Amino acid sequence: SYVLTQTPSVSVAPGKTARIPCGGDNIGRKSVHWYQQKPGQAPVLVIYSDSDRPSGIPERFSGSNSGNTATLTISRVEAGDEADYYCQVWDSSSDHYVFGTGTKVTVL
Amino acid sequence: EVQLVESGGGLVQPGGSLRLSCTASGFSFNTYSMKWVRQAPGKGLEWVSYISSASETFYYADSVKGRFTISRDNAKNSLYLQMNSLRDEDTAVYYCATDGRASTFDYWGQGTLVTVSS
Repeated sequence: SYVLTQTPSVSVAPGKTARIPCGGDNIGRKSVHWYQQKPGQAPVLVIYSDSDRPSGIPERFSGSNSGNTATLTISRVEAGDEADYYCQVWDSSSDHYVFGTGTKVTVL
Repeated sequence: EVQLVESGGGLVQPGGSLRLSCTASGFSFNTYSMKWVRQAPGKGLEWVSYISSASETFYYADSVKGRFTISRDNAKNSLYLQMNSLRDEDTAVYYCATDGRASTFDYWGQGTLVTVSS
């Protein structure tokens, strides 16, 4: 089955840029989505189809996808961005939805 | 406003059964495919099951196939997950979510906790 691998943790200073990678075999050929989950809350979709933002999501959140790595980028990081972030794809070969292992973003 | 409210969680012994419900409001439930996702304590997200809007198509994660059954009642704006032969590793918060056009999980409920323990 398809596997998505994420770095367990990323630390970033306020005002700086956080880059959160998501690795998968030829992931560049798939459509990647990203979710933010704060403690005790349900996940929230922040990026869909590699780089599109749902309404209400700040422009500071952006995404890219190429080769074997998709990346969520958070610019001008704020304390409120501290959360777990998950990538997700649809694997048509198995008819399964797949989530990445998750990355905890800590704002220093 | 889209609202999804899960219920039916609780403590159950290994080998037991439980039925979760998800009541939807604020959107045309009968036009949306729906999904269940779970999250074990301190762990990541795991997709569990999918059902199309008219109950024509079903998908299950390998970890629950043959034990869990997803269903819906569009007249009641409700989604269900029948869980049988429960195991310790099924302990998790279970979320229902709407399916988006891009195979996303657009809207989520607040989750219901299922604890499998003797």
